[in-house]
Amino acid sequence: DSGVTQTPKHLITATGQRVTLRCSPRSGDLSVYWYQQSLDQGLQFLIQYYNGEERAKGNILERFSAQQFPDLHSELNLSSLELGDSALYFCASSNPGRLNEKLFFGSGTQLSVL
Amino acid sequence: DAKTTQPTSMDCAEGRAANLPCNHSTISGNEYVYWYRQIHSQGPQYIIHGLKNNETNEMASLIITEDRKSSTLILPHATLRDTAVYYCIPFNQGGKLIFGQGTELSVKP
Repeated sequence: DSGVTQTPKHLITATGQRVTLRCSPRSGDLSVYWYQQSLDQGLQFLIQYYNGEERAKGNILERFSAQQFPDLHSELNLSSLELGDSALYFCASSNPGRLNEKLFFGSGTQLSVL
Repeated sequence: DAKTTQPTSMDCAEGRAANLPCNHSTISGNEYVYWYRQIHSQGPQYIIHGLKNNETNEMASLIITEDRKSSTLILPHATLRDTAVYYCIPFNQGGKLIFGQGTELSVKP
């Protein structure tokens, strides 16, 4: 158990809909990262938050948004869903201020857009 | 971000050492070499990391060349549960962890 909690584990929805994925980081970790893994793309970095502020952005679509709340949990919002958004979405957390920083990953949310 | 080159796939016999190479010739001076693995559809798992010295922990050993342009991850006694995709990632602590294609390691009985 990595200590990072992601909910829900599975999500099935229809095209055009909007969903919210939730991530609770490990206790003490200030950074949250979101990744998307589809069959043909590998693990793609989407976005990073540090203590509530956006720190780095990757290949995140404009239809996707994220935020990190004061209690440090994070949500990834996916809107106007398309078939191609079907993927595993992983959250990771770390404490960048700690020497020998390591990212710990959750078990993911499997999103299926039908 | 530094680019890496890893074999697409490798096989290893159960109980033998698995040696996974990685080239990272464009690594910058403040980037560590991190190794992660992903067992089918699970979240990636941290294995080990190093800057310029060789490192060992309970999971693996990491050998980094003196010029830091390449490294080798060693699983000393591979088991079937070590079958996974292994990623070598240059990482600037505090920055983004960017995954490449990795090496698919198959451990066979």
